[in-house]
Amino acid sequence: GENVEQHPSTLSVQEGDSAVIKCTYSDSASNYFPWYKQELGKGPQLIIDIRSNVGEKKDQRIAVTLNKTAKHFSLHITETQPEDSAVYFCAASRGGDTGRRALTFGSGTRLQVQP
Amino acid sequence: EPEVTQTPSHQVTQMGQEVILRCVPISNHLYFYWYRQILGQKVEFLVSFYNNEISEKSEIFDDQFSVERPDGSNFTLKIRSTKLEDSAMYFCASSHQAGQETQYFGPGTRLLVL
Repeated sequence: GENVEQHPSTLSVQEGDSAVIKCTYSDSASNYFPWYKQELGKGPQLIIDIRSNVGEKKDQRIAVTLNKTAKHFSLHITETQPEDSAVYFCAASRGGDTGRRALTFGSGTRLQVQP
Repeated sequence: EPEVTQTPSHQVTQMGQEVILRCVPISNHLYFYWYRQILGQKVEFLVSFYNNEISEKSEIFDDQFSVERPDGSNFTLKIRSTKLEDSAMYFCASSHQAGQETQYFGPGTRLLVL
């Protein structure tokens, strides 16, 4: 089955700096890659996702890049703010009409933005 | 904005007891999921449900687990005989339709088995 590795496990940055979180996956059939933000005591909230027919996607301060050949994808947060502090999870699935929609999650990155 | 809701938010039970965790998915969604997160660990897939049947399940989802959509709005996870290792946060999620994979998660139910 799919295996998703995520690095780093913790990341501390100064407010205004950029943060980058990287994930690798093992199943070459995976074609959907969401990123979730989880705040303490809450469920994962989708922040951005990318499909395998796209190499990069941006939404304001957040961007995701995908390299299908190398089987890795990354989350980039620019101009970080204290409210970005949370645990971030990457995930992968086969998605679409295959019926194989189960998300396989990475182990999470605890991002701390220092004011 | 529509949200997935879950009840209860916390549940404490004795080992061997049955528990039912409840979820109300987003109203026009057709795919429903349960995931769990043991404290400090990654989120793990349990089961997906579509068209009133299980479409996929993980090795965690053994005979002690079952899911049901008893009416047009609720989606439940039953654990028949709870074990200590079932203690975790259980998340329900839903997604719209084929080709739109985005899964929206509820706030979770924290289950503690004593």
